[in-house]
Amino acid sequence: EAQVTQNPRYLITVTGKKLTVTCSQNMNHEYMSWYRQDPGLGLRQIYYSMNVEATDKGDVPEGYKVSRKEKRNFPLILESPSPNQTSLYFCASSPLGGTSSYEQYFGPGTRLTVT
Amino acid sequence: ELKVEQNPLFLSMQEGKNYTIYCNYSTTSDRLYWYRQDPGKSLESLFVLLSNGAVKQEGRLMASLDTKARLSTLHITAAVHDLSATYFCAVDDSGNKLVFGAGTILRVKS
Repeated sequence: EAQVTQNPRYLITVTGKKLTVTCSQNMNHEYMSWYRQDPGLGLRQIYYSMNVEATDKGDVPEGYKVSRKEKRNFPLILESPSPNQTSLYFCASSPLGGTSSYEQYFGPGTRLTVT
Repeated sequence: ELKVEQNPLFLSMQEGKNYTIYCNYSTTSDRLYWYRQDPGKSLESLFVLLSNGAVKQEGRLMASLDTKARLSTLHITAAVHDLSATYFCAVDDSGNKLVFGAGTILRVKS
């Protein structure tokens, strides 16, 4: 089944404790992206990647890191989480080029609480 | 900077009624997407609109795109309870990211 998976789905942590949220897709998509969703703000892009070893900042990158060492994986790293990073996080992927509609496919989400 | 505005942000409607959700955006783009989100769930793709005048229909939902007016509409016909969800429009900003509207919370009352 074609899908985007994220782990963990739920995470409660404390301020300053490094964490990683994994994202993996099995559709051979070039493009991957991370969003955070906060009430009344829709989804905002954190980082995106156009291909392996090609990442760039989105609208709200502060406090986050990403890497893209393999095409299928795009982990989100919070090196020193703070309470304002409490949010619902979505990973998405999309094919690029050719006749692609650039439609993004979303993972199930990770609800993060930082106390 | 691309901005996307949806209205209304909250819509309570009776079953059987019709209504339209509007999505305005501030700069040129010819790719617009509509997503549905159920509480606690991920985003489900509803429509992909890729050109001026594009119209797509699925069941009781119909979406259209006017790139000259920078406006998309999501029209609901004869609403049913199962359509209760949050609906987002998202506009492609130069192929590198989607810029989302704030979402429209739709509640259909029986």
